Amino acid sequence: EAGVAQSPRYKIIEKRQSVAFWCNPISGHATLYWYQQILGQGPKLLIQFQNNGVVDDSQLPKDRFSAERLKGVDSTLKIQPAKLEDSAVYLCASSLAGVLSYEQYFGPGTRLTVT
Amino acid sequence: AQKVTQAQTEISVVEKEDVTLDCVYETRDTTYYLFWYKQPPSGELVFLIRRNSFDEQNEISGRYSWNFQKSTSSFNFTITASQVVDSAVYFCALSEAASGTYKYIFGTGTRLKVLA
Repeated sequence: EAGVAQSPRYKIIEKRQSVAFWCNPISGHATLYWYQQILGQGPKLLIQFQNNGVVDDSQLPKDRFSAERLKGVDSTLKIQPAKLEDSAVYLCASSLAGVLSYEQYFGPGTRLTVT
Repeated sequence: AQKVTQAQTEISVVEKEDVTLDCVYETRDTTYYLFWYKQPPSGELVFLIRRNSFDEQNEISGRYSWNFQKSTSSFNFTITASQVVDSAVYFCALSEAASGTYKYIFGTGTRLKVLA
């Protein structure tokens, strides 16, 4: 079974530029998560989708970050314009959805460096 | 409000020693789930275990064991006879139901270094 795919794996941009990350979850997983992991910290949830609807984006800096999950499968996370403090690893994860809380499966992440 | 505390920032042990990673959580819900994930140097988080709030049985999987105690709101993880390959950052996570779905929160992680 294929895992969660993410691209690109690494990205270096200058501040005020824009960047986009792509995620393809495990087939059949209705729930998709985007996390930001700053070096030395735990993952911080940015946005959670169930199918193509947003169920939690309370920690997403909406003035510069946006995300979409068209057709309830792939997802894209965008940052525009980027700031130095956005340097982090951006993790995508997916899980089954239902009455239980299921474990998440993570992709390899995208390491973003903003200079 | 949800909260997960992993007070141990970093632990170093010598190979074959036993080590316990602590996790303390806060939640107002009676139904919740607890998880442990491993993040090796390669960076990809790997699921280790899930436990729901109604199942306080301890679990053992090979060299790994987990001790869930609701009375102290703790879900500790023990590695017996540690190996160098166990070196990683370990995260405890809590999810509780909210608005028809589950909200996850991760702890800050414990970095385990197993020395040969």
